[in-house]
Amino acid sequence: QVHLVESGGGLVKPGGSLTLSCVASGFIFNDYYMTWIRQSPGKGLEWISYSSSDGRSTRYADSVRGRFTISRDNAKNSLFLHLDSLKVEDTAVYYCARDYTPIDFWGQGTLVTVAS
Amino acid sequence: QLVLTQSPSASASLGASVTVTCTLTSGHSDYTIAWHKQLPEGGPRYLMTIKGDGSHEKGDAIPDRLSGSSSGAERYLTISSLQSEDEADYYCQSWDSGIPVFGGGTRLTVL
Repeated sequence: QVHLVESGGGLVKPGGSLTLSCVASGFIFNDYYMTWIRQSPGKGLEWISYSSSDGRSTRYADSVRGRFTISRDNAKNSLFLHLDSLKVEDTAVYYCARDYTPIDFWGQGTLVTVAS
Repeated sequence: QLVLTQSPSASASLGASVTVTCTLTSGHSDYTIAWHKQLPEGGPRYLMTIKGDGSHEKGDAIPDRLSGSSSGAERYLTISSLQSEDEADYYCQSWDSGIPVFGGGTRLTVL
C-alpha cells in the first residue's frame, strides 16, 4: 500500500528557511517522478516542483524558482523541498505526490506558515 | 496557455446523480485530464484519468458509481447514488508541456 508522509512544516518568519521531507513506502521509490504541490488557506491546488526518478531533472513553478530546491534520496525513499527566502504568500499546506502521469498518490500534507 | 475551468459549486440530493464539469481552453480540447477528490480535512485522492476520446481509467478502489466521460473540450465526472462521503472538493488536472495544471475546484454539497 502506497504511503507518503510529509513533515517539517511550521511557523517561520518572512525571509526565513525551512526544509520539508516526504517519506515514501509501498512502492519502488526510485522508479517514479515525485512532485510537490501546495494549497494556500481556502484556495486551490498549485504545482510547485517535480523531480525525475533519479533526481537529475527538476522543474519549478515561476512563483518559487530560485527560492525553493527539490531533491531526493532514493536510498532512504525520501523526497525533500528546501524553502528559502520565504514570503507571506508561501503560507500553505505542502503535499508530496507520486507522479506517474497521472499524479496518483498524495500525502496528507504539512503546513507552512510564514508570518512575523 | 492551458487553463482548466470548473464551476465553483454543485449540489445534489442523497441518492441522486451529479455531474461535475471541467472545461479545457480552446486548442487543448484533446488533452487528457485527471480528477482528484479532497475531503474537508486531508490530502487529495486521485480518482481517474479521462482522455479526449472519453475513455477513462480509475485509481485504486474507486467505486463503479463514479465514472468519467468527455465531449469536445469538456471532461466530466459523474457520481451516481450520491452518498454523504461524496461531499468534497473535486479538482480536475491536466498537463501543459509536462507541468501539472489544476482547475479551481468544484465544491460538491450533498443535500
